[in-house]
Amino acid sequence: DAGVTQSPTHLIKTRGQQVTLRCSPKSGHDTVSWYQQALGQGPQFIFQYYEEEERQRGNFPDRFSGHQFPNYSSELNVNALLLGDSALYLCASSRPPENYGYTFGSGTRLTVV
Amino acid sequence: AQTVTQSQPEMSVQEAETVTLSCTYDTSENNYYLFWYKQPPSRQMILVIRQEAYKQQNATENRFSVNFQKAAKSFSLKISDSQLGDTAMYFCAFMKPYNTDKLIFGTGTRLQVFP
Repeated sequence: DAGVTQSPTHLIKTRGQQVTLRCSPKSGHDTVSWYQQALGQGPQFIFQYYEEEERQRGNFPDRFSGHQFPNYSSELNVNALLLGDSALYLCASSRPPENYGYTFGSGTRLTVV
Repeated sequence: AQTVTQSQPEMSVQEAETVTLSCTYDTSENNYYLFWYKQPPSRQMILVIRQEAYKQQNATENRFSVNFQKAAKSFSLKISDSQLGDTAMYFCAFMKPYNTDKLIFGTGTRLQVFP
């Protein structure tokens, strides 16, 4: 039973560029959440997708956007990259109503130079 | 808004000994979940233990147990018989279910287990 798969594992981008991160949820899960984890910090909630719609959003600017596909996989897009966007981006999947049963991926390490 | 505080940036313990990691939180909610997650160098967040606020009994998972003090808003993790594989970052997290479902994390405690 595959867990949560994220790609790529590492990424280096230049300021001002755009980036797309991908996530495949655990089998049987239909809800995907994205978190940003800056170095030395706990993860911060970006947004959650369910039934291909953004269900809720954290305190992140509109430069951060996402998408969920019919197969429940998801993408996180970040436009106009800033140095401060450098972080580990974690994807977590779950299945309502038991959303306390999150399964996390190993993340994508994004470095903005 | 809910907040989670972990006041111990780093802890160390000798193999086979017991260590306790502290966590406090602030909320006006009555029904919520609390979690401890482990993040090893592989970066994947792994659920260690979960506590439902409406349950008075403290959760236990093998060598891991919690001391949940609802009135004091305290949620500590005790690791017994520490093993080298327990070396990792440990995060305390809060969630209000069936509404927001988002996890609110503390800043983490780095635990080092020495042989």
